[in-house]
Amino acid sequence: DAGITQSPRYKITETGRQVTLMCHQTWSHSYMFWYRQDLGHGLRLIYYSAAADITDKGEVPDGYVVSRSKTENFPLTLESATRSQTSVYFCASNGPSGRRYNEQFFGPGTRLTVL
Amino acid sequence: DAKTTQPTSMDCAEGRAANLPCNHSTISGNEYVYWYRQIHSQGPQYIIHGLKNNETNEMASLIITEDRKSSTLILPHATLRDTAVYYCIERTGTASKLTFGTGTRLQVTL
Repeated sequence: DAGITQSPRYKITETGRQVTLMCHQTWSHSYMFWYRQDLGHGLRLIYYSAAADITDKGEVPDGYVVSRSKTENFPLTLESATRSQTSVYFCASNGPSGRRYNEQFFGPGTRLTVL
Repeated sequence: DAKTTQPTSMDCAEGRAANLPCNHSTISGNEYVYWYRQIHSQGPQYIIHGLKNNETNEMASLIITEDRKSSTLILPHATLRDTAVYYCIERTGTASKLTFGTGTRLQVTL
């Protein structure tokens, strides 16, 4: 079955470094999302994309950059990592059509630690 | 901020029905009620959604009050694998973003 994958699954970096988290989906879903989840809290939306080359800010976009040159990929870049960006990052996707179009599918997450 | 309110935690005995309530008193006419769950540190998983009618699928049932101000997610025969955080979410359209609250932590016990 096709799916949504994230890489790396675990990352440790230092303050000030640039980090890119990858997200890839094989369903050709038009919508893709990035969320972060801090310990003991719910998920918060960082950025989302309605289609290739169309992106928009979510609730907590500061310090992050996204791009979407291809439908299947939606990388998230931390331009200069800070300790407050230590979190678990989830990528998600869903499409506007199909039997399960109402579902937003989530990847397994990337656990990022910024020292 | 999330517009739904849920109890912080609930317990349920294995084999019994788990009834998880959610208040969404300010829900708009075009907003659906969605339920997701998150098992341990995995990505959230879709459970069910509804607009105003009760819904049932292979995972759960969703009961929405007539005034749409609250709803209840029912897991008919809870198992230990249903231990998770359950999120009740208002959502417009089919592809719009999800706004998560803190959810209800359901603990299923023997």
